[in-house]
Amino acid sequence: DAKTTQPNSMESNEEEPVHLPCNHSTISGTDYIHWYRQLPSQGPEYVIHGLTSNVNNRMASLAIAEDRKSSTLILHRATLRDAAVYYCILRANGNKLVFGAGTILRVKS
Amino acid sequence: GAVVSQHPSRVICKSGTSVKIECRSLDFQATTMFWYRQFPKQSLMLMATSNEGSKATYEQGVEKDKFLINHASLTLSTLTVTSAHPEDSSFYICSASSGLSNTEAFFGQGTRLTVV
Repeated sequence: DAKTTQPNSMESNEEEPVHLPCNHSTISGTDYIHWYRQLPSQGPEYVIHGLTSNVNNRMASLAIAEDRKSSTLILHRATLRDAAVYYCILRANGNKLVFGAGTILRVKS
Repeated sequence: GAVVSQHPSRVICKSGTSVKIECRSLDFQATTMFWYRQFPKQSLMLMATSNEGSKATYEQGVEKDKFLINHASLTLSTLTVTSAHPEDSSFYICSASSGLSNTEAFFGQGTRLTVV
């Protein structure tokens, strides 16, 4: 499974944008980049995914580097409810979904 | 997004007994389901992958005779923890997916298992 590297933790102020980085230098051409987040004592929640182009949805934006070796999840205005562990995962067809350590995001009011 | 219902959300059982956890995909057909366990302050650890109608594929180190997985239909998968011991106490999470890389996976709310 292709590996991802994320910072252990990040901190943000409420109402400010947050940029969560992910490095995946061994990504293959058909791997999709997925982001999920997990709140305490809950199952993970899908956030966004993409292949090459930047993606936007109601929750976040995903910026993918041109060489695809890194990506950034962007929360445009962090709220207290965005405090969670964010996981960046590479997924290929038919392959399992393997979680790394993720980034703990803390949001300060 | 799609809804995945996991039941029960909490269960306490006696050591030596078996516990069954159900994972239902309520509004889409899940060809692939994943089962994870998670210890406090740790990430999700993949236990096994099951495809509908096939035997589950277990990750290295996961005992298939202890953690029985059944994926008999496109909407239901079950995980049975047999002869549970206190060290099996954990948070178990299921995920339902189409198996394609360009589609998202959906997760159940998790089951907190405590073996006493």
